[in-house]
Amino acid sequence: RKEVEQDPGPFNVPEGATVAFNCTYSNSASQSFFWYRQDCRKEPKLLMSVYSSGNEDGRFTAQLNRASQYISLLIRDSKLSDSATYLCVVNPLTGGGNKLTFGTGTQLKVEL
Amino acid sequence: NAGVMQNPRHLVRRRGQEARLRCSPMKGHSHVYWYRQLPEEGLKFMVYLQKENIIDESGMPKERFSAEFPKEGPSILRIQQVVRGDSAAYFCASSPGRAGSYEQYFGPGTRLTVT
Repeated sequence: RKEVEQDPGPFNVPEGATVAFNCTYSNSASQSFFWYRQDCRKEPKLLMSVYSSGNEDGRFTAQLNRASQYISLLIRDSKLSDSATYLCVVNPLTGGGNKLTFGTGTQLKVEL
Repeated sequence: NAGVMQNPRHLVRRRGQEARLRCSPMKGHSHVYWYRQLPEEGLKFMVYLQKENIIDESGMPKERFSAEFPKEGPSILRIQQVVRGDSAAYFCASSPGRAGSYEQYFGPGTRLTVT
């Protein structure tokens, strides 16, 4: 089983649509969770951290369910510029380490 | 530009040569990480360093690869005797190193092509 699993997509949605991505992780001891976006194999850019209480940043909402080991990202009112690959990222923070474990990403294509 | 800097952005090496990749962390950051992204694959952790210390190298191949973060200057990822399978994008990231602050910020990457 992969440490972080995501549906690779692609998700093709019209501009203005709401789209949701899900992610599951296998290490129940994981402590920190993030969503990054990656454009055309450029560097990953931090989109948002994910907290147990859920957090929102403009059109983006992230949720964490520790019991189910499940993370979600909701994008409302999609823009063409949201087209990218969204990476679910987990940090076990074990043994004093601080290494990120990446999912393979979910591709989003927003169309006119 | 206060972001993570990497150079070179593109590097071409012939099989058997050495590759040196450099990374300067974001201003105020003391922790550096190296990740590798093979074609059509996700990013994989390689090594985590603080100044003059390797904290976690569990993702580094056992041979030919080494990393350092000297007291002065950038972090260096060195690949000796490169092979075609080393062709990949190598990303460096940095973080502040403060307790509770675990976000990592990535540089633009070095794309290594081995011919």
